[in-house]
Amino acid sequence: DTVLTQSPALAVSPGERVTISCRASESVSTLMHWYQQKPGQQPKLLIYLASNLESGVPARFSGSGSGTDFTLTIDPVEADDTATYYCQQSWNDPTFGAGTKLELK
Amino acid sequence: QVQLKESGPGLVQPSQTLSLTCTVSGFSLTSNSVHWVRQPPGKGLEWMGGIWGDGSTDYNSALKSRLSISRDTSKSQVFLKMNSLQTDDTAIYFCTRDTEGFDYWGQGVMVTVSS
Repeated sequence: DTVLTQSPALAVSPGERVTISCRASESVSTLMHWYQQKPGQQPKLLIYLASNLESGVPARFSGSGSGTDFTLTIDPVEADDTATYYCQQSWNDPTFGAGTKLELK
Repeated sequence: QVQLKESGPGLVQPSQTLSLTCTVSGFSLTSNSVHWVRQPPGKGLEWMGGIWGDGSTDYNSALKSRLSISRDTSKSQVFLKMNSLQTDDTAIYFCTRDTEGFDYWGQGVMVTVSS
């Protein structure tokens, strides 16, 4: 299985820029996707295929990377962005990262 | 519009079989794949398996011996059956459509494994 490693938590102030990283244990090309999950809700697709913004998602969100290293950027961060963010690869059987909990100061 | 909705029992006894249904609308099961993802309380997401437009299936290797996914295209339903449930199978179970990424999700159904 392809293991995805994310930092567990981040705390930023509104208006700042935040980058959330995801490292894959093997190359997944650009078959990486990002989700936002708020408590009590289902995950929401933000970015697909590493850098494509899902319809309806604010342009404050962007994604980059290929191979083993990927980044989700939120710029500027807003209070409503408080959530857990997951990366997921679809190069082989899908796996998710453990999630990065984003808190606002 | 695209919708998915999970249904099934909220409580299952240990060693018993879990049966869940995902009813979809707004898209065809023969043209899209549907997957099951679960989330234990306070923990992360785990892909369980999925059924593709052609009816073929893929399963998480850790669950493969206990898991079966099938569908009824005439009813727009996808089914999950998992046997030999244990307490660590307690989780929210989601069904989700896969295009490029899992783009639509059901609200999830909480399943508790307890006697």
